[in-house]
Amino acid sequence: GAGVSQSPSNKVTEKGKDVELRCDPISGHTALYWYRQSLGQGLEFLIYFQGNSAPDKSGLPSDRFSAERTGGSVSTLTIQRTQQEDSAVYLCASSLAMGGNNQPQHFGDGTRLSIL
Amino acid sequence: DQQVKQNSPSLSVQEGRISILNCDYTNSMFDYFLWYKKYPAEGPTFLISISSIKDKNEDGRFTVFLNKSAKHLSLHIVPSQPGDSAVYFCAASASITSNYKLTFGKGTLLTVNP
Repeated sequence: GAGVSQSPSNKVTEKGKDVELRCDPISGHTALYWYRQSLGQGLEFLIYFQGNSAPDKSGLPSDRFSAERTGGSVSTLTIQRTQQEDSAVYLCASSLAMGGNNQPQHFGDGTRLSIL
Repeated sequence: DQQVKQNSPSLSVQEGRISILNCDYTNSMFDYFLWYKKYPAEGPTFLISISSIKDKNEDGRFTVFLNKSAKHLSLHIVPSQPGDSAVYFCAASASITSNYKLTFGKGTLLTVNP
């Protein structure tokens, strides 16, 4: 399909290891977002990319979290020195450029991250 | 501080009846509201949205109502079908501040019984 693609779908790792999560947005969508959903919670905004503009990193919970978007398409979310509280489902979304009009965000199926 | 609240964690309705899912918000800057539906092990799927310049938006069986004075919105599904059983999330954003950053409620699990 032509939806948002995320990999891996599941990741189990030991505390202290680094992990990389990948997101491939819908073709033509210039805006890309990362959220996470902890157990029993709503989605929590992490970071936003729009075209060549500087990303909005205001939702990243600590400096162990970083993200990049190369070539304006694929994005990678990296968590260094993982902690058990990082266990969550990490969701990526993309949307058309805002252009002053609200555009719905379309989500991938997420990466379920479990830190042992 | 939860800015978007879905106070009912679950709702059960009979097939064919109306499902009403509620959402309250506290941030008066919110001016764009969305409903998402989520099945287990899948990402949220966009259902319907409404801008604050409207008080109603309809799309097939789904209608969203917005009451700005009460800071309340609701999603009506009629008639409800068993395939509608899922978790429904309400989300909001504020275009004057950061119109891309969605704030989500914790979700309501809807079960439609055959």
